[in-house]
Amino acid sequence: DIQMTQSPSSLSASVGDRVTITCRASRSISTYLNWYQQKPGKAPNLLIYAASSLQGGVPSRFRGSGSETDFTLIINGLQPEDFATYYCQQSYMTPDTFGQGTKLEI
Amino acid sequence: QVQLQESGPGLVKPSKTLSLTCTVSGGSISSSSYYWGWIRQPPEKGLEWIGNIYETGTTYYNPSLKSRVTMFVDTSKNQFSLNLNSVTAADTAVYYCMRRGGAAAGTGYYYYMDVWGKGTTVTVSS
Repeated sequence: DIQMTQSPSSLSASVGDRVTITCRASRSISTYLNWYQQKPGKAPNLLIYAASSLQGGVPSRFRGSGSETDFTLIINGLQPEDFATYYCQQSYMTPDTFGQGTKLEI
Repeated sequence: QVQLQESGPGLVKPSKTLSLTCTVSGGSISSSSYYWGWIRQPPEKGLEWIGNIYETGTTYYNPSLKSRVTMFVDTSKNQFSLNLNSVTAADTAVYYCMRRGGAAAGTGYYYYMDVWGKGTTVTVSS
């Protein structure tokens, strides 16, 4: 299986900040990388697919980049509703695997 | 707008079979563009992919669960289902059904999980 490792595991930030979350794959996955946001008690919500393509309806302050093994999710100008847990997921090879999550706290 | 809703028992005894159904509304499960699948999340832990099923009944399972998992689809009811047998406390989790969609981007075709049910909590306990 392809292992996905996110850093940091948790992050404290303030409204208006710019934050960066990284995801590393145990082998090259080209750009087959998705990002999800999950709020407590809710299902995950797709933010970005193909490493950098913004899902419809997702604010443009979310930006994804990277390829091969190293990926980044950047949130510009944090809003109160952005405080959540973020997961990366590779769809390059079965089984689909997720990072362990990054909890973004105020 | 496609919506998914999980249903099934919230409590399952150890060694028994966990059975869940996902009902698709607002769209057809027979759309050739999508796979349908299950994800689970143990308490305070991350996400684990269980498997996917296509409208034809073709399945893809996580190797770590393959010996215990069966998925099937009922196109007449617009539903798909999950059976997980020989459950233990380690199978206690929130179970989500989801739609696996895809899109062309650049030179590739990319899959992602774009519609999710609200999740259902399943506890394995005697």
